[in-house]
Amino acid sequence: GPKVLQIPSHQIIDMGQMVTLNCDPVSNHLYFYWYKQILGQQMEFLVNFYNGKVMEKSKLFKDQFSVERPDGSYFTLKIQPTALEDSAVYFCASSPGGADEQYFGPGTRLTVL
Amino acid sequence: QQKVQQSPESLSVPEGGMASLNCTSSDRNFQYFWWYRQHSGEGPKALMSIFSDGDKKEGRFTAHLNKASLHVSLHIRDSQPSDSALYFCAARRGSALGRLHFGAGTQLIVIP
Repeated sequence: GPKVLQIPSHQIIDMGQMVTLNCDPVSNHLYFYWYKQILGQQMEFLVNFYNGKVMEKSKLFKDQFSVERPDGSYFTLKIQPTALEDSAVYFCASSPGGADEQYFGPGTRLTVL
Repeated sequence: QQKVQQSPESLSVPEGGMASLNCTSSDRNFQYFWWYRQHSGEGPKALMSIFSDGDKKEGRFTAHLNKASLHVSLHIRDSQPSDSALYFCAARRGSALGRLHFGAGTQLIVIP
């Protein structure tokens, strides 16, 4: 079936550094999402993105967060600067339309030291 | 307060048995529900969606929705060891495109 890829699978960085998480969504999908899952807790919505714009973001999507998908390449989540509480697994997802099934990637485990 | 609550937290069933998972929401604006399954080291994968009251059957999986009580369930018939995974209930409001609210998950273990 359709696959969403995420690069890297693991990332360890020092607090205060910048990090970029990359997502390669399903090729014909138009909606893109980031979710955050802290170990042992439920998955939380961060943001969704359509037609080059953020459609909706949650309270977890702090000012230090940004997303973009330049020229149809990777859909990225950038955190600058990082904080200890940003340590989590970040899942990217994509869907053909806003009401359709979301396809998730395997996640990027981010550890902020 | 979590808006989507799942029970039980974990469930063990024998191979060939029936597994029943429950999900309750506290937001009457949630109108669309999904069941996702996540195997260790992978991302969640959608099993099925249910948007109308009643039952929806897909193979060994049957979902049930009662909008009046905001209750969704998933029943897995003839459970297989490969069904062992973390199962999430996810809900979406009718007015909000895309954003899913997830429960904390039920860990299902199918014992051979």
